[in-house]
Amino acid sequence: KQEVTQIPAALSVPEGENLVLNCSFTDSAIYNLQWFRQDPGKGLTSLLLIQSSQREQTSGRLNASLDKSSGRSTLYIAASQPGDSATYLCAQGDTGRRALTFGSGTRLQVQP
Amino acid sequence: KAGVTQTPRYLIKTRGQQVTLSCSPISGHRSVSWYQQTPGQGLQFLFEYFSETQRNKGNFPGRFSGRQFSNSRSEMNVSTLELGDSALYLCASSFAGQGPSGANVLTFGAGSRLTVL
Repeated sequence: KQEVTQIPAALSVPEGENLVLNCSFTDSAIYNLQWFRQDPGKGLTSLLLIQSSQREQTSGRLNASLDKSSGRSTLYIAASQPGDSATYLCAQGDTGRRALTFGSGTRLQVQP
Repeated sequence: KAGVTQTPRYLIKTRGQQVTLSCSPISGHRSVSWYQQTPGQGLQFLFEYFSETQRNKGNFPGRFSGRQFSNSRSEMNVSTLELGDSALYLCASSFAGQGPSGANVLTFGAGSRLTVL
């Protein structure tokens, strides 16, 4: 059974700090990995998608990496801002089930 | 262009009733997936439809069902509601071809929050 784990469950940082969110997965046959953001009471916003053949993707202040051998992905947020406060979820996509397996998320709060 | 639209946004039902939720995907998107989000279990996959056919189903009881129409709009139905069905139900669409839908970026709707009393 696929499992996706996110540590820490919650994180509070001062504005301007660089931070890293961690995601671990158990299925080495990963097809891709996606990072999402969820604001309270809202749906999910896709941030970055990394295919299994890639090692990282970048979008603005965000950089996501993928290491299949260790079963880890990280989301790096540079120069954090209060507007970055949200829950960040990673999700593993696989070839057969056409479904995403989500981690439980990291709740990020950026203090002004 | 318009995003994924889910209706209703909020609803309250009592145990034993049934509920139907609707999802209108982004124009041109042919794949619609449904997920259940609860504080205890997190986000869990319910099912995925493509061209009116259910391609995959998660590990949920038969009380949970869905369908997709020729215009790609999708509905999900939950019969004989239980307290544990209280959740945020999220719909996502993608422009999925014949390859694994996991290859495509999913666009999620805002969700339908169901409360069962």
